[in-house]
Amino acid sequence: DIQMTQSPSSLSAFVGDRVTITCRASQSISNFLGWYQQRPGKAPKLLIYAASSLQSGVPSRFRGSGSGTDFTLTISSLQPEDFATYYCQQGYSTPYTFGQGTKVEIK
Amino acid sequence: QVQLQESGPGLVKPSQTLSLTCTVSGGSISSGSYYWSWIRQPAGKRLEWIGRIYSSGSTNYNPSLMSRVTVSVDTSKNQFSLKLSSVTAADTAVYYCARVRRTDSWLSDGMDVWGQGTTVTVSS
Repeated sequence: DIQMTQSPSSLSAFVGDRVTITCRASQSISNFLGWYQQRPGKAPKLLIYAASSLQSGVPSRFRGSGSGTDFTLTISSLQPEDFATYYCQQGYSTPYTFGQGTKVEIK
Repeated sequence: QVQLQESGPGLVKPSQTLSLTCTVSGGSISSGSYYWSWIRQPAGKRLEWIGRIYSSGSTNYNPSLMSRVTVSVDTSKNQFSLKLSSVTAADTAVYYCARVRRTDSWLSDGMDVWGQGTTVTVSS
């Protein structure tokens, strides 16, 4: 199985801050990676597909980058509704695997 | 727009079989552009992929669950289903169904539509 490791596991930030979350795959997955936002009690929501493509309807402050084994999700200016847990997921091979999540909290 | 809705019992006894159905509305499950997957999330834990099915009926499962899992599709009802046998308390989780983007290379680059999730508790 391909292991997905996110860092940090949690972070605290102010509204308006720039936030960066990283995801590392245990082997190369090209750009077959998605980023998801999950609010408490809700289903995950796709933010970024193919590592860097913005899903329809997602605000442009979300940006994905990377290829191979190292990926980044950047939120350019954190908004109150962005406080949630974020997951990366590889679709390169089955079993699909997710990172452990990064919880973004209000400072 | 496409919507997914999970349905099935919220309580299953140990050693029995968990059965869930995902109903697809607003689009066809026979679309060749997607796989259809089941994912679960125990409380406070990361998401775990269970398995996927293509409209042809071709399946792939997580090896950690393969001996107990069956995913099937009913294109006439626009539904796909999950059966997980011999359940234990470790199978207690929120279960999600999701639409999985399929690329030209038959790989995936994201799961773009999710059901709201259904909580399944395994307890006597």
